[in-house]
Amino acid sequence: GDSVTQMEGPVTLSEEAFLTINCTYTATGYPSLFWYVQYPGEGLQLLLKATKADDKGSNKGFEATYRKETTSFHLEKGSVQVSDSAVYFCALRNVDSNYQLIWGAGTKLIIKP
Amino acid sequence: NAGVTQTPKFRILKIGQSMTLQCTQDMNHNYMYWYRQDPGMGLKLIYYSVGAGITDKGEVPNGYNVSRSTTEDFPLRLELAAPSQTSVYFCASSDTTGINEKLFFGSGTQLSVL
Repeated sequence: GDSVTQMEGPVTLSEEAFLTINCTYTATGYPSLFWYVQYPGEGLQLLLKATKADDKGSNKGFEATYRKETTSFHLEKGSVQVSDSAVYFCALRNVDSNYQLIWGAGTKLIIKP
Repeated sequence: NAGVTQTPKFRILKIGQSMTLQCTQDMNHNYMYWYRQDPGMGLKLIYYSVGAGITDKGEVPNGYNVSRSTTEDFPLRLELAAPSQTSVYFCASSDTTGINEKLFFGSGTQLSVL
């Protein structure tokens, strides 16, 4: 079945460092791909998405490109801030699984000043 | 804006006890979901609802029940708590599904069954 694999955390970076959080997937067809973020004490919220190959989702300085050839959707940010400290979840939705998002385990990001 | 509100935030249950996790949303969303997240794992769908009076099983429904008597509320019932139900539970809602879906989540309930 479909699955999502994220890099294990926690990932600890200094402020202004470059961020990459890896996400790879296994799915038939052409799923839609999502990144959700959970800030401390809050619920998950949609960060960005991409619905077809080579699409780039972006929001709040974060970017992720839908790479069909490598089945990846890595999250990147050029210069992280302390306020980016959160747990990041990668997920996919396949056209055949109408109500079911398939989730990665989440990657905790810690940014030190 | 309140969004999606879950209560309680933390709960410890003894084996065999019952409890209800409450979830309410004030966005008039038709779609509501209950997920659980075990340590080191992704979220798993327990139950979902496409509108008041309509519910259906997700991937891991055993040991749980839900109801949807109003658009706003979607409580999750654990009848006979077991240690395997120790998890973090998330409620979510959306106004649509498919590629334009955007889920709104509650902040979660951490449940321990001892």
